[in-house]
Amino acid sequence: GAVVSQHPSWVICKSGTSVKIECRSLDFQATTMFWYRQFPKQSLMLMATSNEGSKATYEQGVEKDKFLINHASLTLSTLTVTSAHPEDSSFYICSARSGTVRAYEQYFGPGTRLTVT
Amino acid sequence: EDQVTQSPEALRLQEGESSSLNCSYTVSGLRGLFWYRQDPGKGPEFLFTLYSAGEEKEKERLKATLTKKESFLHITAPKPEDSATYLCAAPTGKLIFGQGTELSVKP
Repeated sequence: GAVVSQHPSWVICKSGTSVKIECRSLDFQATTMFWYRQFPKQSLMLMATSNEGSKATYEQGVEKDKFLINHASLTLSTLTVTSAHPEDSSFYICSARSGTVRAYEQYFGPGTRLTVT
Repeated sequence: EDQVTQSPEALRLQEGESSSLNCSYTVSGLRGLFWYRQDPGKGPEFLFTLYSAGEEKEKERLKATLTKKESFLHITAPKPEDSATYLCAAPTGKLIFGQGTELSVKP
């Protein structure tokens, strides 16, 4: 149980284009989802927190107009990187929390490798 | 300020050589302490939740314990496939992660 999927697992896009990453909780309802970014050999950096049906809360320094987050249902959140640039190349990981039994446990997706050329 | 600190940063073991990883925390109103395993190029894999001092959880060669100030992840007779980065984290609305311990087990 507690499986989180991400799609795609890797994506290459050209500078200036937008790319959407999906995060799904497969066997539980996720009242809260989180998006992280991770650089090589570094810890996970929280980008934003989203609750189903509400606007996402972004961490300080994260551009909300560049990283659009939508948590439209209890099983799906999307991250859209708009007008991507090479510096946006990174490993993006989502996580989900059910908010009910074992309310604080967070389960992570497998990650999406984004390369902007 | 809530804080989670892991040690050592890196640990090299021979196959079969048991050891422990440490996670010390100062978190007000602790709602659990999580352990994850992360392999290169993958998202963290959930291992354990510990809720109260004295609690222990086991999974294969791994055993996690919790005191009022720290948690230990004991690895008994590790194998090369146990090589990974092990993360501990405390939930405070969002997760506060330690820096991780990179474990390498050589055959």
